[in-house]
Amino acid sequence: KAGVTQTPRYLIKTRGQQVTLSCSPISGHRSVSWYQQTPGQGLQFLFEYFSETQRNKGNFPGRFSGRQFSNSRSEMNVSTLELGDSALYLCASSSNRGSSYEQYFGPGTRLTVT
Amino acid sequence: GQQLNQSPQSMFIQEGEDVSMNCTSSSIFNTWLWYKQDPGEGPVLLIALYKAGELTSNGRLTAQFGITRKDSFLNISASIPSDVGIYFCAGRGDDYKLSFGAGTTVTVRA
Repeated sequence: KAGVTQTPRYLIKTRGQQVTLSCSPISGHRSVSWYQQTPGQGLQFLFEYFSETQRNKGNFPGRFSGRQFSNSRSEMNVSTLELGDSALYLCASSSNRGSSYEQYFGPGTRLTVT
Repeated sequence: GQQLNQSPQSMFIQEGEDVSMNCTSSSIFNTWLWYKQDPGEGPVLLIALYKAGELTSNGRLTAQFGITRKDSFLNISASIPSDVGIYFCAGRGDDYKLSFGAGTTVTVRA
């Protein structure tokens, strides 16, 4: 079974621009979560989508948004980029069947804002 | 998510040693997960724990879900060079959000 895939792997943007990141979950997984990872703050939860609905949200400004499509693929958008948005953005998928909440991560998208 | 305290922050291993790390939380969790992350990659799930007191092994790795539901530990036995990396604990409470520890960086002792 293929793992979680994220595109692109690397991205360089300028302050003020916007960016869209994509995530394809493991086949059959309906939950997709997004995280921001930085050396200073560690892994911070952004949001979770399940069956095209945002089910949970972390403490990030409204510039960070996401959506999920009917095939469970998800996109994350960051508008008006700031230097502090430079980070590794990780997507994780989960089947959410029964009591299983095991999340499987993709390789991440490394975003650099200049 | 809740704040997790993971310790130690870093450790040096010598091949063959047993090493241990742990996580504590101020809140009760109903799931504990342990991950390993190599440079430039996403975290890889090592062990999942769902019941207080549960002890689970995955090869040379053993993890336990604390009785109080506020802590968990991970042991690596007979460490080998490829064990180097960053290990993260993660806990899920009733809000279903996954909170992560700051990580334990494992390095080979020269």
